[in-house]
Amino acid sequence: EVQLVESGGGLVQPGGSLRLSCAASGFTFNSYEMNWVRQAPGKGLEWVSYISASGSAIYYADSVKGRFIISRDNTKNSLYLQMNSLRVEDTAVYYCATEGGYDRFEYWGQGTLVPVSS
Amino acid sequence: AIQMTQSPSSLSASVGDRVTITCRASQDIRTDLSWYQQKPGKAPKLLIYDASRLQSGVPSRFTGSGSGTDFTLTISSLQPEDFATYYCLQDYSFPRTFGQGTRLEIK
Repeated sequence: EVQLVESGGGLVQPGGSLRLSCAASGFTFNSYEMNWVRQAPGKGLEWVSYISASGSAIYYADSVKGRFIISRDNTKNSLYLQMNSLRVEDTAVYYCATEGGYDRFEYWGQGTLVPVSS
Repeated sequence: AIQMTQSPSSLSASVGDRVTITCRASQDIRTDLSWYQQKPGKAPKLLIYDASRLQSGVPSRFTGSGSGTDFTLTISSLQPEDFATYYCLQDYSFPRTFGQGTRLEIK
């Protein structure tokens, strides 16, 4: 069974940092591209970042570029999102999602909440 | 960035109704579009990919169509479990962009 489990969320002050993790199991992690997607309370989905299967290609949304860093460790079947210089508007549930054939976001984690507030 | 304009933003319908949700891209995205269903407090679920391919395990009452800039998601006969929010996503280029969502409510 495919599982994606996010962790690392929690209350952080504006300007602070947080590192999210996504632990993958039940599939060949190193064959899948991965994404982070977020959803602010009561709002729609927003794509945040992408990393290729090998980690050689990385993209970010303009809203997080220069502040967030996506990475992966294929030996640990894990995806990460280092979030720096956090803003109130970064408050959201953060989901990790696989990107497989036809670039479909086939599998999603349950999400982890990151409130940014003083 | 490619803009995805989804309509309507909300929709009231009854069990058994046929409903259609549309998504328009600001430029040609071929068939690089997928549709997701999200229920409150849950992660999104993939329904349709490559504009018209049905994800395994998704009921056949869900169909997708379109190419280029105009796309539709149709639910042929609404079931109680279909009341949710629906999103389109373009995967033609980065940054990936979602439509703003369509909330499907019970009439």
